Amino acid sequence: AQSVSQHNHHVILSEAASLELGCNYSYGGTVNLFWYVQYPGQHLQLLLKYFSGDPLVKGIKGFEAEFIKSKFSFNLRKPSVQWSDTAEYFCAVSPSGAGSYQLTFGKGTKLSVIP
Amino acid sequence: ETGVTQTPRHLVMGMTNKKSLKCEQHLGHNAMYWYKQSAKKPLELMFVYSLEERVENNSVPSRFSPECPNSSHLFLHLHTLQPEDSALYLCASSQAVEDTQYFGPGTRLTVL
Repeated sequence: AQSVSQHNHHVILSEAASLELGCNYSYGGTVNLFWYVQYPGQHLQLLLKYFSGDPLVKGIKGFEAEFIKSKFSFNLRKPSVQWSDTAEYFCAVSPSGAGSYQLTFGKGTKLSVIP
Repeated sequence: ETGVTQTPRHLVMGMTNKKSLKCEQHLGHNAMYWYKQSAKKPLELMFVYSLEERVENNSVPSRFSPECPNSSHLFLHLHTLQPEDSALYLCASSQAVEDTQYFGPGTRLTVL
């Protein structure tokens, strides 16, 4: 079975600071990788995903993530955060192919951006 | 705005009650899911349906009973729950089971 580790429980940044949220997974096969975001009072939304191809994935709102297979990592980055990025961010992994619906989530990282 | 809706948004029930959670998706998807999000724990996949057939039941206690009458609707029937079942229950849907999942707002369940 796969597992996901998000090392930071709560990150506090000032506006315009750069962001990197860590995500590591464990799984013996090929994987699909996701970042979801949950803004205060809203539902979980897909930020970006990686299935195959270019390991640098660009998502909505200026976010990107890089899949580093050798490190089993899929860190989320944004060069300059805004107050509106305050939310909880969840990394998730599923096996590629059969059983790909088996999404396993990390515990999430709360991001607070101070104006 | 979400294509996946859930009702009720909040539910308080006693351990002897029977209640149902409802999920409806307006995206034309063929797969639907139930997840449980407990405090300080990751989201846990509970059930998966594809074309109204259950394809996964992740060792969920029988006091949780899912029902998928058609590809747009998914129910979670609850009976004789325990206080530790208090959590946020999320519904999701996807075009097919191998596709990206889209989530609803969740039902916050409290069991007294």
